[in-house]
Amino acid sequence: DIVMTQTPLSLSVTPGQPASISCKSSQSLLHSNGKTYLYWYLQKPGQPPQLLIYEVSNRFSGVPDRFSGSGSGTDFTLKISRVEAEDVGVYYCLQTIQLPSYTFGQGTKLEIK
Amino acid sequence: EVQLVESGGGLVQPGGSLRLSCAASGFTFSGYWMSWVRQAPGKGLEWVANIKQDGSEKYYVDSVKGRFTISRDNAKNSLYLQMNSLRAEDTAVYYCAREWYMDVWGKGTTVTVSS
Repeated sequence: DIVMTQTPLSLSVTPGQPASISCKSSQSLLHSNGKTYLYWYLQKPGQPPQLLIYEVSNRFSGVPDRFSGSGSGTDFTLKISRVEAEDVGVYYCLQTIQLPSYTFGQGTKLEIK
Repeated sequence: EVQLVESGGGLVQPGGSLRLSCAASGFTFSGYWMSWVRQAPGKGLEWVANIKQDGSEKYYVDSVKGRFTISRDNAKNSLYLQMNSLRAEDTAVYYCAREWYMDVWGKGTTVTVSS
């Protein structure tokens, strides 16, 4: 199975400051079709997860442009340019290149200072 | 509005069975892969299973193979998860989600396996 490793596991950020989360996969997520199957989700307290970024760098509908994704192969990053109070929660990366075993990262908890 | 509503969770004894349902609305259900994802108490997310639009392909995480069965009824816009031989480690909130990459999620239904 592909192992997804997120760092850090928690971070505390002052509103208006940037934040960055890393996700590393144990195998390349680049498919032969040219797509890279890496996704980012945010689970706000008491809510189901919500999709933020698909295929590394594409913002899902309605996601603010302060969220951006980057990376390739096995190394990926989610960046928040200016953290807001509503961004608190747990962020997960997900790989879907390997069926039948999709795997999430452990999660990164974002708190506001 | 795109909506997914799970039901069928509850308390069940080890070795027992439950059938979860997910009612979809606001989109053409038959045009999408559908998935189940679970979250044990205080833990992270775990992908459980998914099913192709016409039900011809189904995939499961190893830990539930042979015990869980995913199915769908496109005429009823509904997704199901039949869970047999339940274990304590199956205790979790079970989410229904649209697409293999989970772009829309339901609020979840809680399954507790305990004697």
